[in-house]
Amino acid sequence: EDQVTQSPEALRLQEGESSSLNCSYTVSGLRGLFWYRQDPGKGPEFLFTLYSAGEEKEKERLKATLTKKESFLHITAPKPEDSATYLCAVQHLTLSGSRLTFGEGTQLTVNP
Amino acid sequence: NAGVTQTPKFQVLKTGQSMTLQCAQDMNHNSMYWYRQDPGMGLRLIYYSASEGTTDKGEVPNGYNVSRLNKREFSLRLESAAPSQTSVYFCASLGDRNQPQHFGDGTRLSIL
Repeated sequence: EDQVTQSPEALRLQEGESSSLNCSYTVSGLRGLFWYRQDPGKGPEFLFTLYSAGEEKEKERLKATLTKKESFLHITAPKPEDSATYLCAVQHLTLSGSRLTFGEGTQLTVNP
Repeated sequence: NAGVTQTPKFQVLKTGQSMTLQCAQDMNHNSMYWYRQDPGMGLRLIYYSASEGTTDKGEVPNGYNVSRLNKREFSLRLESAAPSQTSVYFCASLGDRNQPQHFGDGTRLSIL
């Protein structure tokens, strides 16, 4: 059974204090790994897709990396507006189409 | 530029009542999804539709039915609501399987 585990559950940082969020997965036939950001009262908003071990993607203060067993979302010099819940999901393809399995998310708070 | 639209945004039901949650997308996507999100559980797939005219069960389908009315619309029905179905429900759509899913902003459903 496909499993996605995110850690930590919650993370508090001071503005400018860099850190990383972890997403570990066990899935047969990984097709892609997705990172989303979710603000309170909103739906998830797409950030990155990673397809193969060693791949990296960057967007502003965020960088996502992928190994064969886990992905990291690195946050460099975060700002209060980076506060959100970050979700990781793995994609698998079935005869019925594409599906995502999500982790429980990491709730990030960045204090000014 | 609506994307994925869900109605209603909030709803309170009594146990045993029925209700249909509506979802429409204007991106000409083939695949549509229904998830529920509960504290500590992450997003869990209820049902999905890979294309117009097809529907498949996800991880937690019991107590729900779906209808893919046309390419744009995918509805979720609770025939006899139970308190355990209190949750936030998200609809998503997907065009090309190499692209990310796009999410609506959710329906917050409380069942008393």
